[in-house]
Amino acid sequence: AQSVTQLDSQVPVFEEAPVELRCNYSSSVSVYLFWYVQYPNQGLQLLLKYLSGSTLVKGINGFEAEFNKSQTSFHLRKPSVHISDTAEYFCAVSDGAAGNKLTFGGGTRVLVKP
Amino acid sequence: DADVTQTPRNRITKTGKRIMLECSQTKGHDRMYWYRQDPGLGLRLIYYSFDVKDINKGEISDGYSVSRQAQAKFSLSLESAIPNQTALYFCATSEVTGGIGELFFGEGSRLTVL
Repeated sequence: AQSVTQLDSQVPVFEEAPVELRCNYSSSVSVYLFWYVQYPNQGLQLLLKYLSGSTLVKGINGFEAEFNKSQTSFHLRKPSVHISDTAEYFCAVSDGAAGNKLTFGGGTRVLVKP
Repeated sequence: DADVTQTPRNRITKTGKRIMLECSQTKGHDRMYWYRQDPGLGLRLIYYSFDVKDINKGEISDGYSVSRQAQAKFSLSLESAIPNQTALYFCATSEVTGGIGELFFGEGSRLTVL
């Protein structure tokens, strides 16, 4: 069984400041890792994913995440946020064994203040 | 037009009523999913379908049923709605090959059971 823990439920941050969203997972097998973003009143869309290879993954809108196998973490970062980054962010894990079934974390709500 | 369309977008109903949420997609994907989103719990998988003849239970299928009427249509039913089924419901699709983990989401159906 897999599980995902997002350590912060809410992260307030000022515009142009950096932000880090923390994600830890547990799994008995190798995993694929993902970050999705949900803007207000919208569905989720993929920000980035780690499948294999380089542990530093770059995604859309200037976000990046680093896979750390020893710490079972996949933290999301952005060096300078914009008001438009206000959204909820979800970390998710898949073992790839049965299609694209994902296990999601509880979400982190980011509020960017001017 | 959206690639993944959910109807209705909002619904208020009473305990004991039967409710159907519908999902249609124009992405041509074989795989379709129904998730439920609750604050702090992230998204949890209710049912998924890898093709028209393949329906599978997710982690929280009790109280729900689904029908895959065609490749493009996947509906979720609550036979007798109860208040703790109040939630935001998402339909999603994915490809069979490639694009591991990338789900494409509809905009959600907000259901309130009084």
